[in-house]
Amino acid sequence: GAVVSQHPSWVICKSGTSVKIECRSLDFQATTMFWYRQFPKQSLMLMATSNEGSKATYEQGVEKDKFLINHASLTLSTLTVTSAHPEDSSFYICSGTIPGSIYEQYFGPGTRLTVT
Amino acid sequence: AQSVSQHNHHVILSEAASLELGCNYSYGGTVNLFWYVQYPGQHLQLLLKYFSGDPLVKGIKGFEAEFIKSKFSFNLRKPSVQWSDTAEYFCAVIADTGRRALTFGSGTRLQVQP
Repeated sequence: GAVVSQHPSWVICKSGTSVKIECRSLDFQATTMFWYRQFPKQSLMLMATSNEGSKATYEQGVEKDKFLINHASLTLSTLTVTSAHPEDSSFYICSGTIPGSIYEQYFGPGTRLTVT
Repeated sequence: AQSVSQHNHHVILSEAASLELGCNYSYGGTVNLFWYVQYPGQHLQLLLKYFSGDPLVKGIKGFEAEFIKSKFSFNLRKPSVQWSDTAEYFCAVIADTGRRALTFGSGTRLQVQP
């Protein structure tokens, strides 16, 4: 149980375009979802926390107008990278928490974004 | 704000060797502690967690960790590693108050040689 999927698993886009990444909880309702960014050989850095039906809370230094997060339902959150630039190239990972278990997060497999 | 330090960045062991990966955190209050593993090409998986109670916790695949509050440590151990344990290991913490989000350490890459 507690499976999280991400789509796409990898994407290549041109500089200046926008890319949407989907995060779905397949067998549970995720009241809270988190978006992380992982640079090569580095740890995960939290970008934002989203609760279903409300605006996401962004970490300091993360541009909310560039990284648009929508948590429209209890099973789907999306991250849109707007006007992508090469420095946005990274591995983006989402996670979800089960209601009543806010401390345990279940992670998706990640999305590799390459901006050319 | 809390932070997590993993001092071993890259560890190379032979099969059957014992493993101990260090993890120290900085936070003055109550914390919840986790170890995650990321096998090559796979997503993060929870190895074990500590919330309260017995400071020695056992996880999956023969891993265990000991919470030593006085040392702000939560080291991961395994008495005998296998080649299949080759992976990246992340220690993480959530403070019991304030922002309920995971703060990760920088990770330790474990390479087990057959």
